[in-house]
Amino acid sequence: TQLLEQSPQFLSIQEGENLTVYCNSSSVFSSLQWYRQEPGEGPVLLVTVVTGGEVKKLKRLTFQFGDARKDSSLHITAAQPGDTGLYLCAGRSTQGGSEKLVFGKGTKLTVNP
Amino acid sequence: SQTIHQWPATLVQPVGSPLSLECTVEGTSNPNLYWYRQAAGRGLQLLFYSIGIDQISSEVPQNLSASRPQDRQFILSSKKLLLSDSGFYLCAWTADILYGYTFGSGTRLTVV
Repeated sequence: TQLLEQSPQFLSIQEGENLTVYCNSSSVFSSLQWYRQEPGEGPVLLVTVVTGGEVKKLKRLTFQFGDARKDSSLHITAAQPGDTGLYLCAGRSTQGGSEKLVFGKGTKLTVNP
Repeated sequence: SQTIHQWPATLVQPVGSPLSLECTVEGTSNPNLYWYRQAAGRGLQLLFYSIGIDQISSEVPQNLSASRPQDRQFILSSKKLLLSDSGFYLCAWTADILYGYTFGSGTRLTVV
């Protein structure tokens, strides 16, 4: 079973601070995605990374896929209260049944004004 | 444009009662469909997925079942609910997993 470990589990910061959250695995994934979920709603896709070493930027969010395609990070610059939410990483398995994603448990981010 | 509908939004059911949650997708054909359950602190657990009508894979042995009576309809059922079935149930679809899932708004199920 391929597992994704996210850290930290909880993060509470002040508006304007920078932060990085991590998603790690001992397994290789063919692609990895990041989602953000707000309370009582379904997760919303932020980005997909496919190539080892790939870096993608979405405004103040920077996503990186590890060279070995086993890990990823999400960096937020100058966090704002609107960034508050549960950040989930999800990997596409390279094993049989690759039409499904494996999710980490998430990092719950709170940005205080 | 494609949309996904999931209902009901909240549900309180007694132990031993049946369950039926429905999910429908509009604006696409032959989507991959998924049922996930999210419990506090446990992330998203894949319950069932379907790549076509009558093609349903079960990921976790449990007292739940899934059916896909039409191309864009996915139903999660149980004959007798357990307390441990409480959680947030999410339906999702994708045309190509590379482009990610689109999730429904979820059903909060409380079994009492």
